[in-house]
Amino acid sequence: GNSVTQMEGPVTLSEEAFLTINCTYTATGYPSLFWYVQYPGEGLQLLLKATKADDKGSNKGFEATYRKETTSFHLEKGSVQVSDSAVYFCALSNTGNQFYFGTGTSLTVIP
Amino acid sequence: EAQVTQNPRYLITVTGKKLTVTCSQNMNHEYMSWYRQDPGLGLRQIYYSMNVEVTDKGDVPEGYKVSRKEKRNFPLILESPSPNQTSLYFCASSLFWGARDYGYTFGSGTRLTVV
Repeated sequence: GNSVTQMEGPVTLSEEAFLTINCTYTATGYPSLFWYVQYPGEGLQLLLKATKADDKGSNKGFEATYRKETTSFHLEKGSVQVSDSAVYFCALSNTGNQFYFGTGTSLTVIP
Repeated sequence: EAQVTQNPRYLITVTGKKLTVTCSQNMNHEYMSWYRQDPGLGLRQIYYSMNVEVTDKGDVPEGYKVSRKEKRNFPLILESPSPNQTSLYFCASSLFWGARDYGYTFGSGTRLTVV
């Protein structure tokens, strides 16, 4: 079946620290992979995506590379800001237009 | 602006009093879906619709109903709400087979409290 596992939170970092949020997946075939971000009091927004192996998605300084050999799609940012405080969801989409979400990782960045 | 609009944003109700949460999208998307978000459980799908008059159960459909009479609207109905339906609800939409390439577009959420 299809499933996504992401690292437990919460994560607390100081401003300008390096961020990694781990995400691994299980899927048949060739899924697309996504990171969504949920800022406090808001809905989910698409942060970045990758639709095939070895693709790198990037946006707002965040990056993630689709690694088929390790079934991973880890989210990274070189220098986080207070405004990056949010909940981050890893997700995959496979056949049938369905999405499968991880449980979310809460990030707090302190000045 | 392309968007998914949910109403209301916040709702407090009493056990057993029927309620409807509305969802509307202006992107001509065929696919629409409802999720609930609970701490530690992430997002769980309630119902989805591939097109007008076509709906199907997600992972947690018990206690909910939906309808899809028009392409743009996908209301979520709680006939007899119970406290365990207290949650944050999201509506999402995409093109018919668009999720793999474009992802979902989400509404801003409805925080429901059932007392």
